[in-house]
Amino acid sequence: RKEVEQDPGPFNVPEGATVAFNCTYSNSASQSFFWYRQDCRKEPKLLMSVYSSGNEDGRFTAQLNRASQYISLLIRDSKLSDSATYLCVVSRGDYKLSFGAGTTVTVRA
Amino acid sequence: DVKVTQSSRYLVKRTGEKVFLECVQDMDHENMFWYRQDPGLGLRLIYFSYDVKMKEKGDIPEGYSVSREKKERFSLILESASTNQTSMYLCASSLGTSSYNEQFFGPGTRLTVL
Repeated sequence: RKEVEQDPGPFNVPEGATVAFNCTYSNSASQSFFWYRQDCRKEPKLLMSVYSSGNEDGRFTAQLNRASQYISLLIRDSKLSDSATYLCVVSRGDYKLSFGAGTTVTVRA
Repeated sequence: DVKVTQSSRYLVKRTGEKVFLECVQDMDHENMFWYRQDPGLGLRLIYFSYDVKMKEKGDIPEGYSVSREKKERFSLILESASTNQTSMYLCASSLGTSSYNEQFFGPGTRLTVL
């Protein structure tokens, strides 16, 4: 079983729409959670950390459900520039990270 | 801004060749990592280093070795390249040893082994 599982998508949405997707993780000891963004043929970059109480950064909202071991990301008012692959990232209890394979989002005009 | 650079964006090698991939970071980070990224599999950790001359195996170290002689430089070595090592290789660095710390990635090296 993969440590982090994501729906690969693609999620094709029109500009201005809301899109949401989840990932699940298997290690109940994980303490740190992140969403990274990877543009086509580029390196991953941190989008946001995910906190237990949930957190928001502009149009992006992340939620953590420890009981069910899943993390979600919601993007409101989608922009063309939001088109990317979103990687769910979970710590392993040390300083190593486990990466999901990514969810691809395509925002169309 | 943290900058992580990798020696090549694209590399084509033949089976059996020795391959060196170099990574340099300019922010005095303690930790450096080598990953490979393959479609549908996500990033998988090959090796990491938490200090000069210190290294630990990641999840898929077979066929690879690493070298960290200076804090800013972390090299990945394929002793005898094989076709199943064709992949995107990403180097990353982070400050300290906490998993809360952001990892900064280089632009990647797309290696093709023929």
